[in-house]
Amino acid sequence: EIVLTQSPATLSLSPGERATLSCRASQSVSSYLAWYQQNPGQAPRLLIYDASNRATGIPARFSGSGSGTDFTLTISSLEPEDFAVYYCQQRSSWPPRITFGQGTRLEIK
Amino acid sequence: QLQLQESGPGLVKPSETLSLTCAVSGGSISISSYYWGWIRQPPGKGLEWIGSFYYSGSTSYNPSLKSRVTISVDTSKNQFSLKLSSVTAADTAVYYCARLIITRSGWFDPWGQGTLVTVSS
Repeated sequence: EIVLTQSPATLSLSPGERATLSCRASQSVSSYLAWYQQNPGQAPRLLIYDASNRATGIPARFSGSGSGTDFTLTISSLEPEDFAVYYCQQRSSWPPRITFGQGTRLEIK
Repeated sequence: QLQLQESGPGLVKPSETLSLTCAVSGGSISISSYYWGWIRQPPGKGLEWIGSFYYSGSTSYNPSLKSRVTISVDTSKNQFSLKLSSVTAADTAVYYCARLIITRSGWFDPWGQGTLVTVSS
């Protein structure tokens, strides 16, 4: 089973700052990684798929990069609505098996 | 626009079976390239994949839950269901259903709003 480890667990930043979130896989997942944003009391929302492709309607300040075992979600300039929990996710094997990272909480400093 | 809606009892007794349904609207559940799945989130914790299925019958379950989980589909009603047997307090969670888009990769989009299931006597 592939394990995804996210860091840091909590990131404290101010609006307007740049956020860098990390996701590391226990073995290569190629570019098959997705990122989600979850606000309190809401379902997760897809941000990024295939490591670097923004989902429909996602602002350009969100970008994803990486391949193999190391991935990054970058938010170029934080807006108040960006303070939330972020999860990475990968799919492996067939039929598909899914694992999520444990999440990074992005909080207002 | 595709929408998913979970429904089912909000309270289940320990040792009983949790049963939830996900109704899909705005699109057919019987479309190739799409799987469908269940994910849960215990209060204050992260996301855990429960299992996924393809409308033709292929299923895949989280190994940690496999012995207790059954996912089934009713294409005539455009909905799918989750059954989790022998529940304990550890199964208390918000349960989400979602479409799983499979290419060489795989991601969930969109998600239902989620439904809280509490296991308690």
